Amino acid sequence: NAGVTQTPKFQVLKTGQSMTLQCAQDMNHEYMSWYRQDPGMGLRLIHYSVGAGITDQGEVPNGYNVSRSTTEDFPLRLLSAAPSQTSVYFCASSQDRLGNSPLHFGNGTRLTVT
Amino acid sequence: AQKITQTQPGMFVQEKEAVTLDCTYDTSDQSYGLFWYKQPSSGEMIFLIYQGSYDEQNATEGRYSLNFQKARKSANLVISASQLGDSAMYFCAMSLDNYGQNFVFGPGTRLSVLP
Repeated sequence: NAGVTQTPKFQVLKTGQSMTLQCAQDMNHEYMSWYRQDPGMGLRLIHYSVGAGITDQGEVPNGYNVSRSTTEDFPLRLLSAAPSQTSVYFCASSQDRLGNSPLHFGNGTRLTVT
Repeated sequence: AQKITQTQPGMFVQEKEAVTLDCTYDTSDQSYGLFWYKQPSSGEMIFLIYQGSYDEQNATEGRYSLNFQKARKSANLVISASQLGDSAMYFCAMSLDNYGQNFVFGPGTRLSVLP
């Protein structure tokens, strides 16, 4: 039972490079989201999706793009990496529309931008 | 704006004792959910417990209980009989029914259990 799978686990980028963080879930969840975790700030929402073909911005969307072509996959694209994007990134999914279902998290991607 | 406050950056507790981790929240919505997550040093986020804003009884899950005081807007996590494996970061989070799974997280509390 895989749950939410994120790849890669670690990544080092140079300023200006682009990359895609992959996220896949096998629980048939409608809702998927990306968070970044920075020390002392908890997790902050980057982008989210309420279903295939539908995405929207969260609290800190600048510098990131997302798409949702299938229910299972929700990749996060860094367009031109900056040192301020050094963080741990979590993908999460949830079962239903209301806020009473817990988020199921992937194991995270630790990104360093030099 | 919705906000979660966790005022204890770090806590220590002796093994087998109980510990309370504080969480206060700010929202003008009437319908919301409160969650606690555990993040061990390995980094994964583990869901512990949930409390709905309309639930009249405090939630319990094994050794975890949530002390929900709606009028004070607090949702403290109580861990009974602490174990060494409870050493981790703990995050309080809030979801709003109008926003689905767009959770707001607090900054976290690092709990260290002493043998």
